[in-house]
Amino acid sequence: GQNIDQPTEMTATEGAIVQINCTYQTSGFNGLFWYQQHAGEAPTFLSYNVLDGLEEKGRFSSFLSRSKGYSYLLLKELQMKDSASYLCAVLDSNYQLIWGAGTKLIIKP
Amino acid sequence: DAGITQSPRHKVTETGTPVTLRCHQTENHRYMYWYRQDPGHGLRLIHYSYGVKDTDKGEVSDGYSVSRSKTEDFLLTLESATSSQTSVYFCAISGGSGDADTQYFGPGTRLTVL
Repeated sequence: GQNIDQPTEMTATEGAIVQINCTYQTSGFNGLFWYQQHAGEAPTFLSYNVLDGLEEKGRFSSFLSRSKGYSYLLLKELQMKDSASYLCAVLDSNYQLIWGAGTKLIIKP
Repeated sequence: DAGITQSPRHKVTETGTPVTLRCHQTENHRYMYWYRQDPGHGLRLIHYSYGVKDTDKGEVSDGYSVSRSKTEDFLLTLESATSSQTSVYFCAISGGSGDADTQYFGPGTRLTVL
């Protein structure tokens, strides 16, 4: 079967750095996505990785290792507005997105 | 953000009644999707469309049907709603130039079946 694993909840301090991990086992791989979802709102696109390595976008970076079936989202200089759920999703061989259950990130002052 | 709207945004209905949710896009994207989101679960695909009148089932399609008669509209119908269909429903689109595989989401519809 297909599976995406990510921690259910994480807590971090304002101004700090946090890394959210995602491991996957899917039938084929055509890319990995990270989305942010604030409570009561729709998911919004953060990043896309299809090749190994680090993609940086401002305070957010995403890393991919296809051989290890592993990705992480790195958030720097945390702000209170970063409190949200972060969803990892893999595009499988049929170009369907397989979603993890999401990681709820709580930011404390 | 992509131009995607969903209607209604909230609905309360009773078991056994039919319900139709509408997704409307102004981006002319080829692909449209319906997902449901429940606590403890990832987004689960109900149905998707790859063009006008072209639709296919997703992971959790039982009890749902869809129609797409125009590029911009994708309808999700619960023929006879059950309490297990209480959920938040999201529509998504993809197929834009430059990022064809990235899905963009509508604001969601919160459906309660009593």
